[in-house]
Amino acid sequence: DTEVTQTPKHLVMGMTNKKSLKCEQHMGHRAMYWYKQKAKKPPELMFVYSYEKLSINESVPSRFSPECPNSSLLNLHLHALQPEDSALYLCASSRAEISQGDNSPLHFGNGTRLTVT
Amino acid sequence: DQQVKQNSPSLSVQEGRISILNCDYTNSMFDYFLWYKKYPAEGPTFLISISSIKDKNEDGRFTVFLNKSAKHLSLHIVPSQPGDSAVYFCAASLNRDDKIIFGKGTRLHILP
Repeated sequence: DTEVTQTPKHLVMGMTNKKSLKCEQHMGHRAMYWYKQKAKKPPELMFVYSYEKLSINESVPSRFSPECPNSSLLNLHLHALQPEDSALYLCASSRAEISQGDNSPLHFGNGTRLTVT
Repeated sequence: DQQVKQNSPSLSVQEGRISILNCDYTNSMFDYFLWYKKYPAEGPTFLISISSIKDKNEDGRFTVFLNKSAKHLSLHIVPSQPGDSAVYFCAASLNRDDKIIFGKGTRLHILP
């Protein structure tokens, strides 16, 4: 069982829909991440939250909007997506931001398989 | 520009033998290296890591070797078991940076 829980597991949405992906961890981790993974490609970083503040946005289009309501929860709000946004969206967490002397590994959830029609 | 390279997209190894997965990197500033394992329909799972101050880290059947001068690391699995069949991602991070950069992965098949 993964310690990072993502819901839903699968999502099909139209290009005009608004939906949200949810991620939860109760390991006391203070850094949380959204990754996007296309088929046969490695995960690509989208956003990093550190202590509930957005610290990295990898030039992600505004149709993806992250939110971190508290230290255990991370959401990804989706609006007006394109078919090419179909992918596996992975949430991850780590003890803290990877920094000097505190390189902690990422713990990934199982992802939400998103299909945009 | 690919900073972490896994040049073998797939590898087949007989059960019981040693599996060696290789990874090369281009950025000499990387100071932390990780291996993740991914089964289909699951997120990547952390397997083992190594700091740049070390050249070897062992955890059970898994050993990671780091050769900083060659900018090369490898993951050894011995003995290989059927459950080891998965995609293995090599990853690296910079000091004082959140970003973990992944390689493209190597699919390992353990043959009976």
